[in-house]
Amino acid sequence: KQEVTQIPAALSVPEGENLVLNCSFTDSAIYNLQWFRQDPGKGLTSLLLIQSSQREQTSGRLNASLDKSSGRSTLYIAASQPGDSATYLCAAWTGGGNKLTFGTGTQLKVEL
Amino acid sequence: ETGVTQTPRHLVMGMTNKKSLKCEQHLGHNAMYWYKQSAKKPLELMFVYSLEERVENNSVPSRFSPECPNSSHLFLHLHTLQPEDSALYLCASSQDWGGEQYFGPGTRLTVT
Repeated sequence: KQEVTQIPAALSVPEGENLVLNCSFTDSAIYNLQWFRQDPGKGLTSLLLIQSSQREQTSGRLNASLDKSSGRSTLYIAASQPGDSATYLCAAWTGGGNKLTFGTGTQLKVEL
Repeated sequence: ETGVTQTPRHLVMGMTNKKSLKCEQHLGHNAMYWYKQSAKKPLELMFVYSLEERVENNSVPSRFSPECPNSSHLFLHLHTLQPEDSALYLCASSQDWGGEQYFGPGTRLTVT
């Protein structure tokens, strides 16, 4: 059974800082891994999707990496801004797309 | 409208009521999903439809009944719910089953 863990559960940083969010998964036979952000009381917004054959994806200030052998993915946020404050979730598809497992998220606060 | 929409956004219902949640996607996707998000718990995948056929049912109680009349619409029929069913119910779609997910804003359900 796939288990997805995100550490830390909460993080507070000053504006402008570069930061890394971690996502670990127990079953390396993943189909793809997706990062989302969720604002309070809202739905999820897709940030980046990494296919199992890829090592990383970039979008603007965001860079996500994937290391299947170690069961880890990281989301790097450069030059953080207060608008980045949200909960960040990772989710892994396993079994050829049969099962999607979410982590519990990292709640990020970027302070002025 | 664009993207994925959900109605209603908020719903309060008694344990003996029957209600339905509606999801509509305007992205031309072939797969649609229902998720449950409870406080302090990871997102739980409830149902998956691909090309209007149910392909995944993660041991969801029968008091939740999904319906997918076409590839653009997805319903979740609710009856005889319990207070522990109170949660944010999220709908998502993807081009194909297992692909990048796009979420709606969710329906905040409270069972009294």
